[in-house]
Amino acid sequence: NAGVTQTPKFRVLKTGQSMTLLCAQDMNHEYMYWYRQDPGMGLRLIHYSVGEGTTAKGEVPDGYNVSRLKKQNFLLGLESAAPSQTSVYFCASSYLFSDRRTSPHEQYFGPGTRLTVT
Amino acid sequence: QKEVEQDPGPLSVPEGAIVSLNCTYSNSAFQYFMWYRQYSRKGPELLMYTYSSGNKEDGRFTAQVDKSSKYISLFIRDSQPSDSATYLCAMRILGGNRLAFGKGNQVVVIP
Repeated sequence: NAGVTQTPKFRVLKTGQSMTLLCAQDMNHEYMYWYRQDPGMGLRLIHYSVGEGTTAKGEVPDGYNVSRLKKQNFLLGLESAAPSQTSVYFCASSYLFSDRRTSPHEQYFGPGTRLTVT
Repeated sequence: QKEVEQDPGPLSVPEGAIVSLNCTYSNSAFQYFMWYRQYSRKGPELLMYTYSSGNKEDGRFTAQVDKSSKYISLFIRDSQPSDSATYLCAMRILGGNRLAFGKGNQVVVIP
């Protein structure tokens, strides 16, 4: 199993350009998440999905859109990139949550996409 | 006030020392407490997990949860250079589908 993969690994954009980040998972997970990670800020949730065809806003959704047309894929779009969106973007996925004590609802992360907006 | 506070200051220790990391939180509904480890230029991976209060030990790693103080800790005994990474605490409420993360601590173990 490849786990969670992200495409591309690196990208440089000019202000105002658009792009789509692709996340794919082969673990049949229901939940998928997009985070951004900035120095001193930790991981911040952008958007997430609890199943195919559903999306919801996270902590920092402005300037981003997402789609989950297939269960295994979760796309993050930047319609008009800004320098403030320079960051490392991580996708994660997990099983349907369970409140059994033995289940931590572990999120499996991809390797990240490093995006620079100039 | 953020739900989870973790002082993001870097930590450098000599090999063999004990590393002590901690997080505080404000939401008393958190029931699941996790530590993720993130190596440089990689995604985070779950290191340890504790449900509710108590201690959990796994080899050189010990996780502690004190719900009365809203305080969790991670201890690394006999630290090794391979432990050099960023450690993030994370928490979840019962029935929740999202994690609340701390900012992470970068740990460097010097040979």
